[in-house]
Amino acid sequence: ETGVTQSPTHLIKTRGQQVTLRCSSQSGHNTVSWYQQALGQGPQFIFQYYREEENGRGNFPPRFSGLQFPNYSSELNVNALELDDSALYLCASSLGSRSTDTQYFGPGTRLTVL
Amino acid sequence: KQEVTQIPAALSVPEGENLVLNCSFTDSAIYNLQWFRQDPGKGLTSLLLIQSSQREQTSGRLNASLDKSSGRSTLYIAASQPGDSATYLCAHYKAAGNKLTFGGGTRVLVKP
Repeated sequence: ETGVTQSPTHLIKTRGQQVTLRCSSQSGHNTVSWYQQALGQGPQFIFQYYREEENGRGNFPPRFSGLQFPNYSSELNVNALELDDSALYLCASSLGSRSTDTQYFGPGTRLTVL
Repeated sequence: KQEVTQIPAALSVPEGENLVLNCSFTDSAIYNLQWFRQDPGKGLTSLLLIQSSQREQTSGRLNASLDKSSGRSTLYIAASQPGDSATYLCAHYKAAGNKLTFGGGTRVLVKP
């Protein structure tokens, strides 16, 4: 157990809809990162938040957005869902944003877009 | 070219055999390298974290080495057990972008 939780566990949406995924970090962890993992592939970095500010972004379009709240919870929002957005979405929390800060992953949310 | 590559993509060994998992990366200017385990449909569990100044890390039956000059890391699992069956992912962290860059993983099956 990493102390990082995600909800919901599974989600089914249709193309064009919007979705919000939630993550609860370990208490005291100021950094949360989100990753997308397509079936059979390694996770791809979406973005990272540090103390409620975006602190780095991967090659994902603006329809992927996020929020981080003072209570160590965060959200990933995806607008105008596409079929290729079907994936396991992982959040990871860490104490800080340095390379020496171990990231602790949640169990993920499996999103299916029909 | 992929930044992080893991070969083979899948591996099957009999119980008791030692496992050797390979990870190669194109950028030698990494800050650390981390090995993860992922069970089917689950999140990632960190196994070992090797700082850029280190050459190896050990934890129980696991040993990971890092050679930045050649762009390689190897995870050794001694005396494999069926419970070691999982996908193993390596990832590195560079200062720019503050992100982990993952390989595609090696899916391991240990047969009893």
